[in-house]
Amino acid sequence: GQQLNQSPQSMFIQEGEDVSMNCTSSSIFNTWLWYKQDPGEGPVLLIALYKAGELTSNGRLTAQFGITRKDSFLNISASIPSDVGIYFCAGHSGGGADGLTFGKGTHLIIQP
Amino acid sequence: DSGVTQTPKHLITATGQRVTLRCSPRSGDLSVYWYQQSLDQGLQFLIQYYNGEERAKGNILERFSAQQFPDLHSELNLSSLELGDSALYFCASSVGWGGLAEAFFGQGTRLTVV
Repeated sequence: GQQLNQSPQSMFIQEGEDVSMNCTSSSIFNTWLWYKQDPGEGPVLLIALYKAGELTSNGRLTAQFGITRKDSFLNISASIPSDVGIYFCAGHSGGGADGLTFGKGTHLIIQP
Repeated sequence: DSGVTQTPKHLITATGQRVTLRCSPRSGDLSVYWYQQSLDQGLQFLIQYYNGEERAKGNILERFSAQQFPDLHSELNLSSLELGDSALYFCASSVGWGGLAEAFFGQGTRLTVV
């Protein structure tokens, strides 16, 4: 089946630093989504990307849909303590009804 | 608050038992998806319903089944439970299906099988 490779697995950063994470796939996706999950909560949608090459921002978050349709990245600028959590990329192949394929997540930890 | 409601929030049961997890989608959403999240497998798509009909199946075991009712709420039934079924089970909903991939997740049900 389809698999998404998400990296890095975890990140230890200082408050105020910029963060970058990415996802790659062996197959094409027509939609890329980025979610954040806090402990004890469900994933919350951050950004949705629908076109190859698309660059979309949501506040301090910026995500891009790769030209090959096999990758996407998420950047967070000027990180703050509430950015701590697990970030997931998800892909949807489209063309019919099916669920999302998720990456394994990037655990973001902000050091004081 | 995503607008997706899942009950119960926690469930502890013994091996061999059967449980039912419930999900109410966001108002206006016709699609309901079920996902399983475990430490080793991550978030795995189980099954999707759209307006009462099954639309897609993912990695769902034969011991598991689901349905969506006329009022659009959905139930996930897990039977002959095994220790390995312990996981977080999420329901998500979206307006449509296929290309409309923006799914909104509930807070999940944490199932512990002992």
